[in-house]
Amino acid sequence: DAGITQSPRHKVTETGTPVTLRCHQTENHRYMYWYRQDPGHGLRLIHYSYGVKDTDKGEVSDGYSVSRSKTEDFLLTLESATSSQTSVYFCAISPEALGVEGNQPQHFGDGTRLSIL
Amino acid sequence: ILNVEQSPQSLHVQEGDSTNFTCSFPSSNFYALHWYRWETAKSPEALFVMTLNGDEKKKGRISATLNTKEGYSYLYIKGSQPEDSATYLCAFPYNFNKFYFGSGTKLNVKP
Repeated sequence: DAGITQSPRHKVTETGTPVTLRCHQTENHRYMYWYRQDPGHGLRLIHYSYGVKDTDKGEVSDGYSVSRSKTEDFLLTLESATSSQTSVYFCAISPEALGVEGNQPQHFGDGTRLSIL
Repeated sequence: ILNVEQSPQSLHVQEGDSTNFTCSFPSSNFYALHWYRWETAKSPEALFVMTLNGDEKKKGRISATLNTKEGYSYLYIKGSQPEDSATYLCAFPYNFNKFYFGSGTKLNVKP
């Protein structure tokens, strides 16, 4: 299995509090992703990183920020959590594409279940 | 928002039945098409990455085909087993390695 760890695995917090989720990889892969999983939506991209300090927004980035100061760590921050951000969050990693963009599979962490009351 | 759609949303079959489902995607700016298998309470696992029109990939009883000109991919499962029960996701890379996932087909195989 790809060396990818998410922490915490579960968190319950209150509306308005800041929350940071951590994704740590031991594969030295270039790309790291944060997704959220909600019923009826599959996986939706929040933010992704294509290198240290290089990040870009996904389709549901409002209310989230990210940072990647080291290759191995990708942090997702909810500055002021809202109930609509209750979800299961998955981190994924993938190596550099070989020739054709997007031709390397993603490997997923075990997920973080976040509940905001 | 990209138009990546999967059908059907859910499927119930008996053990031993063969089944298939579809992922449709934009046929322009095509780079690759991914299939993932997602079992309940686990994380998604990559099945196939397909890049060439006419590609056919196989892993055991599961196979996939790709038509980039018309923008669809089929996933086939031959002789479904209860352990095949999962949600099957397709994903479409765009814009320098971002991915857009379909909402998935949930397969339930009854013994």
